[in-house]
Amino acid sequence: QVQLRESGPGLVKPSQTLSLTCTVSGGSISTTGYYWSWLRQHPVKGLEWIGYIYYTGSTFNNPSLRSRLTISVDTSKNQFSLKLRSVTAADTAVYYCARRMTTGAFDIWGQGTLVTVSA
Amino acid sequence: DIHLTQSPSSLSASVGDTVTITCQASQDIRNYLNWYQQKPGKAPKLLIYDASDLQAGVPSRFSGSGSGTSFTLTINTLQPEDIATYYCQQYDDVLTFGGGTKVELK
Repeated sequence: QVQLRESGPGLVKPSQTLSLTCTVSGGSISTTGYYWSWLRQHPVKGLEWIGYIYYTGSTFNNPSLRSRLTISVDTSKNQFSLKLRSVTAADTAVYYCARRMTTGAFDIWGQGTLVTVSA
Repeated sequence: DIHLTQSPSSLSASVGDTVTITCQASQDIRNYLNWYQQKPGKAPKLLIYDASDLQAGVPSRFSGSGSGTSFTLTINTLQPEDIATYYCQQYDDVLTFGGGTKVELK
């Protein structure tokens, strides 16, 4: 079955760029009808949708993060990635990658990775 | 953005009880509402999509209802493994989540 796994640094300095990669296994990222997504969970603010990408490269991002955000896909590696620029302590969260169905629901999630923004 | 208000924020119930969680949307979201269960240290798990459709593999004691601005998640015959935090999520507009309802054992 399809599985997702996040990877990347767990500590990022303020003003730098947070970079994470999600590796999809057990299925193809090019399967039609699925959108490959990033979400995060703050201890206080709760769950927040960051954005998602289709295998063709079309992206849909949360307007609140759009100016700092790049989501990309590498179909040859079955991976998609997140870059969030100019981070602050407010970006400290558990980051999840997930698969979004056409229904708008996230049916498969990665295990999550804690990213802390601190000097 | 569409705001989702869940109530209660927490509840205590006994094994075998029926538990009801509500999710109120700040505007009409038709049936574009999903429910998740999250246990500590784990990713959310999809339970219900499109307000009332049970995700494959989810026990039938979970059910969802509602449309427009008012939605309900019901757990019939609460089991110990149902102790978790539950979230609603809408996708009618920019995706947003409710604040969560923590279900504990009495």
